[in-house]
Amino acid sequence: EPEVTQTPSHQVTQMGQEVILRCVPISNHLYFYWYRQILGQKVEFLVSFYNNEISEKSEIFDDQFSVERPDGSNFTLKIRSTKLEDSAMYFCASSEPGDNSPLHFGNGTRLTVT
Amino acid sequence: AQSVTQLGSHVSVSEGALVLLRCNYSSSVPPYLFWYVQYPNQGLQLLLKYTSAATLVKGINGFEAEFKKSETSFHLTKPSAHMSDAAEYFCAVSDDGNTPLVFGKGTRLSVIA
Repeated sequence: EPEVTQTPSHQVTQMGQEVILRCVPISNHLYFYWYRQILGQKVEFLVSFYNNEISEKSEIFDDQFSVERPDGSNFTLKIRSTKLEDSAMYFCASSEPGDNSPLHFGNGTRLTVT
Repeated sequence: AQSVTQLGSHVSVSEGALVLLRCNYSSSVPPYLFWYVQYPNQGLQLLLKYTSAATLVKGINGFEAEFKKSETSFHLTKPSAHMSDAAEYFCAVSDDGNTPLVFGKGTRLSVIA
């Protein structure tokens, strides 16, 4: 069964550094998402992406964050200047076109900012 | 704005016992409701979804959930727990199936032999 793959599984970075989290969505999916889960808290929506542009974003997704689909397969989340509070598990998801098509999630990248 | 509340951050059951994980939602429109499961070191996997067809929804691995509008609930059940059911379970809601999912805090299910 096709999967959403995320790399790396764990990223450690120093405060103020830039990180790029990578995702390869399922190949025929057209909608892409990033969610995050701070330890012990809810899974929170960050951003959705369709047709090469952001379709929706949450309050969390400020100027520090950006997303890109640099080629036909990858979907990346960049955090420009990481803060301690950015430490979380970041999940990428994708879905097919159509109403209420379920999201397929990757295994996540655990980001630790020190 | 929609939201979900999962009662109980940790539920422990004996193998073979009934599993009941509670979820209450808040939505201004008829919601789309989902249950996801997360096994250790894995991503979120869809268990089942409610999209206004049948109120009793059957999912994978023997789980089912019943949509009760009067109680604004969508509790997840399984008649007989198996050791392999130990995982984190998340309830989620979307207003129209296209708006971003809003997740609950999750319930960790432990199954005791």
